[in-house]
Amino acid sequence: GQSLEQPSEVTAVEGAIVQINCTYQTSGFYGLSWYQQHDGGAPTFLSYNALDGLEETGRFSSFLSRSDSYGYLLLQELQMKDSASYFCARRNAGNMLTFGGGTRLMVKP
Amino acid sequence: NAGVTQTPKFRVLKTGQSMTLLCAQDMNHEYMYWYRQDPGMGLRLIHYSVGEGTTAKGEVPDGYNVSRLKKQNFLLGLESAAPSQTSVYFCASSYGGDPPETQYFGPGTRLLVL
Repeated sequence: GQSLEQPSEVTAVEGAIVQINCTYQTSGFYGLSWYQQHDGGAPTFLSYNALDGLEETGRFSSFLSRSDSYGYLLLQELQMKDSASYFCARRNAGNMLTFGGGTRLMVKP
Repeated sequence: NAGVTQTPKFRVLKTGQSMTLLCAQDMNHEYMYWYRQDPGMGLRLIHYSVGEGTTAKGEVPDGYNVSRLKKQNFLLGLESAAPSQTSVYFCASSYGGDPPETQYFGPGTRLLVL
């Protein structure tokens, strides 16, 4: 199978750090992407991990452990504008993506 | 660059009606995709294309057809709309090269089938 599991909702306060986890099935797995989607908007690309380890892009970091079939998105110094849904997506053969159900992040003052 | 554009933005159909959703990209991308997103859920791939003149089925292709006659355009057709096709439809495109994972999404088409 190609399904992914991630929490449906996470709440955190402004300025804090939050981690959104994603587990996936290994069959045909090439890499893990993260996308952000604000309400009513289109998904936008955040990061991609093909190899084990941490990728950092500003306040956002993404981690992958292929041996554990697990990845996470780390958001630091949370801002109100980070309130959105975050999707992990596995890359399959042929550059196709399978998306998780999404994690709705609510940032509170 | 406009990126990925979709037409129309919103549409209401009656059961049994047909319509075509248009997606256009100006980034010279090889790959194009059609997804649907239902409330509170992730995106599911309907059909995709890896180049002009090619199309392939995704995860949920039933009830939809596609065509890619020009590299920059990818059309999604509903021949006989059903209420189960009420959804938000997103088109995306990607280079297909490196990094291979970055897909650029259009703003979406909200479709309501009564």
